[in-house]
Amino acid sequence: EVQVVESGGGLVQPGGSLRLSCAASGFTFTSYGMHWVRQAPGKGLEWVSYIDTTSSTIVYADSVKGRFTVSRNNAENSLSLQMNSLRDEDTAVYYCARRGNYPRAFFDYWGQGALVTVSS
Amino acid sequence: DIQMTQSPSSVSASVGDRVTITCRASQGISNWLGWYQQKPGKAPKLLIYAASTLQSGVPSRFSGSGSGTDFTLTISSLQSEDFATYYCQQANSFPITFGQGTRLEIK
Repeated sequence: EVQVVESGGGLVQPGGSLRLSCAASGFTFTSYGMHWVRQAPGKGLEWVSYIDTTSSTIVYADSVKGRFTVSRNNAENSLSLQMNSLRDEDTAVYYCARRGNYPRAFFDYWGQGALVTVSS
Repeated sequence: DIQMTQSPSSVSASVGDRVTITCRASQGISNWLGWYQQKPGKAPKLLIYAASTLQSGVPSRFSGSGSGTDFTLTISSLQSEDFATYYCQQANSFPITFGQGTRLEIK
């Protein structure tokens, strides 16, 4: 069974840092690109970042560029999102999502989400 | 960035009704359009990709159409489990963008 499970969410002060992790299982992790997508409370979905299978292509939304860093460890089937200089508007549920084997980036499996709250 | 606009923002319907949700892209995206269903407190679920291809395991009452800038999601006969929020997503180019969502409520 395909599973992606996020961890590492929590409460952090503005300007602080937090690292999210995503553990993947039930599929060949090295064959799939991975994304982070977030959802602010009561709001819609916002794409955050993408990393391809070998970490050679990494893309960020402008809203997080320069502050967030995505990485993956293929030996450990894991994905990470290092979030620095956090702002109130980064408060959201962060989802790890698999890029399915389609010609373009559609998300076929999602984790349950990790809540990040940025507040003083 | 490609803007995705859904309409309506919310719709009320009854079990058995046919419902159509539209999504418009600010520029042409060929058929690189996906539809997701999200229930409260849950992660989104992929229903349709490439505008009209049903994801494995999704009931056939869901269908999608369109290309270029205008797309539709149709639910042919609403079931109780279909009441949720629906999002379109363009996969034509980065940054990937979503519509604002359409909340489907019970009448």
